[in-house]
Amino acid sequence: GQNIDQPTEMTATEGAIVQINCTYQTSGFNGLFWYQQHAGEAPTFLSYNVLDGLEEKGRFSSFLSRSKGYSYLLLKELQMKDSASYLCAVILNYGQNFVFGPGTRLSVLP
Amino acid sequence: SQTIHQWPATLVQPVGSPLSLECTVEGTSNPNLYWYRQAAGRGLQLLFYSVGIGQISSEVPQNLSASRPQDRQFILSSKKLLLSDSGFYLCAWSVGTMINTGELFFGEGSRLTVL
Repeated sequence: GQNIDQPTEMTATEGAIVQINCTYQTSGFNGLFWYQQHAGEAPTFLSYNVLDGLEEKGRFSSFLSRSKGYSYLLLKELQMKDSASYLCAVILNYGQNFVFGPGTRLSVLP
Repeated sequence: SQTIHQWPATLVQPVGSPLSLECTVEGTSNPNLYWYRQAAGRGLQLLFYSVGIGQISSEVPQNLSASRPQDRQFILSSKKLLLSDSGFYLCAWSVGTMINTGELFFGEGSRLTVL
């Protein structure tokens, strides 16, 4: 079976930096996505990693280590609007199957 | 540009009643199509995915079914709803190539409450 783990909840302060971890054990790997989902809304794309290393996009960065089955999403200069769930997803089978982790609910406090 | 729409946005149905959720994609051809369900406070559970007309893969055995009558239309159905079918249903699409590095694009979601 497929297994993707993330912490259930995290809390951080406005202006701070937070790292959300994701570990995966899957039969096949064609890349890893991070999505942001505000309550009651559909997920929106944040980042994509297929090779080892760090991908930076503004305040958000994502890291991947395929040998360790590990990724993290780094959020810098946190804002109140960053309070949301963050979903880690692995692509299997040439992109025909996306498997999502349980999501991490991040609360940003003033 | 590509767009995805699903409807209805919200529905309340009694146990044992039928269900039909519809999703259409515009601006692309031969997309991969997906139905996900998200229970309250839970992650996304893949229900069905399709790589072409009439081609449906089921990930979780249940009382739901999916159909793809046209290239850009994906329908989720049930003959008799259960209480456990309540949740937030999301349709999504991705680029339909064998080496897929494209992201998953989601519809607005349909919130189903079964009473």
